[in-house]
Amino acid sequence: SAVISQKPSRDICQRGTSLTIQCQVDSQVTMMFWYRQQPGQSLTLIATANQGSEATYESGFVIDKFPISRPNLTFSTLTVSNMSPEDSSIYLCSVSTVGYGYTFGSGTRLTVV
Amino acid sequence: DAKTTQPPSMDCAEGRAANLPCNHSTISGNEYVYWYRQIHSQGPQYIIHGLKNNETNEMASLIITEDRKSSTLILPHATLRDTAVYYCIESNFGNEKLTFGTGTRLTIIP
Repeated sequence: SAVISQKPSRDICQRGTSLTIQCQVDSQVTMMFWYRQQPGQSLTLIATANQGSEATYESGFVIDKFPISRPNLTFSTLTVSNMSPEDSSIYLCSVSTVGYGYTFGSGTRLTVV
Repeated sequence: DAKTTQPPSMDCAEGRAANLPCNHSTISGNEYVYWYRQIHSQGPQYIIHGLKNNETNEMASLIITEDRKSSTLILPHATLRDTAVYYCIESNFGNEKLTFGTGTRLTIIP
């Protein structure tokens, strides 16, 4: 299966600032997915990132708050903008891999103070 | 909303088989059943998936009913490291998003 490197693994940020999370895959993939997991909750899809086109956002998530870049087939970034304490969550990237379903990164644990 | 239903929690004695049920009564003909687990604070880990036949790999077995409306994940000899939240998900394989439900929190008891 694909190996995903996600950075940073955790961060503590001041409200009003922005954090960019990186997701690097060891093989080329068509689509990458970004999820959010709020404390004690299940995973919620934020958006699907395609190379060469704008990301597709799920209901309740907007590009101004969560801009996504997908410059090539092995890399993507998610930015959490103008953060508030409600953005404190684990953010995960995921890719689909033939024969293994979907592989997830280890996540970025974000705390906004 | 998630299309599968699972019990919120289960306990299993260490060394015994853990049987985790999942209902997916609205599954369509080309959707697979996927099972993932999430150990505390880690990313979800793929376990197994199937379409209509029973499947087995080094981690688990997946039993799918003939009408495909439910399935059971079997961990044959549960260990303490199997304590996790287990998610059952319907999806067309490939470039389709996964929709996570609330899963089953499995606790393995020494």
